[in-house]
Amino acid sequence: EAGVVQSPRYKIIEKKQPVAFWCNPISGHNTLYWYLQNLGQGPELLIRYENEEAVDDSQLPKDRFSAERLKGVDSTLKIQPAELGDSAVYLCASSLVAQSPGNEQFFGPGTRLTVL
Amino acid sequence: AQSVTQLDSQVPVFEEAPVELRCNYSSSVSVYLFWYVQYPNQGLQLLLKYLSGSTLVKGINGFEAEFNKSQTSFHLRKPSVHISDTAEYFCAVSVLGATNKLIFGTGTLLAVQP
Repeated sequence: EAGVVQSPRYKIIEKKQPVAFWCNPISGHNTLYWYLQNLGQGPELLIRYENEEAVDDSQLPKDRFSAERLKGVDSTLKIQPAELGDSAVYLCASSLVAQSPGNEQFFGPGTRLTVL
Repeated sequence: AQSVTQLDSQVPVFEEAPVELRCNYSSSVSVYLFWYVQYPNQGLQLLLKYLSGSTLVKGINGFEAEFNKSQTSFHLRKPSVHISDTAEYFCAVSVLGATNKLIFGTGTLLAVQP
């Protein structure tokens, strides 16, 4: 069974440019998470989807970040415009129904963003 | 609010020696506890979790952890480490009744030396 797929793995852009990350969760997982991992830190939740619905986006900086999961399967996270401080690893994870706390979250390899 | 503290940013240890990675949490409500491992350039992988029941939890790769409610700790242990255990280890909590939101510590780099 394929794991969580993310692309690209690495992205280097100039500041003020837009950037997008793509995630395909494990088949059958209806909950999808985007995390931000700064260097030397643990992941921090940006947004959680239940199927197509964003049910927790309280930590998403909405002035420049946006996300979508149109058909309840794969998802895209966008930054426009990117700032130097956005350099980090962006992790995607998926799980079975989130209403069962303790359900394992499966993580993708992440996208490492460098903003110059 | 919940928080997780991993006081050791790096733990050097020789191969075949025992190791303990410390994790303390703060919460006014009951929590679930997790340990994840992150190998270089990879995503996080679940090592073990405590939901309820026995306070000693066994995970993959020979790791175990013990939940201590009075000390609000969930330390990770392995009796004999291998070079391949070199990785970043993250402790995390989620709140009972909440919907699986994980709060992570800052991580501990386990550096196994030959």
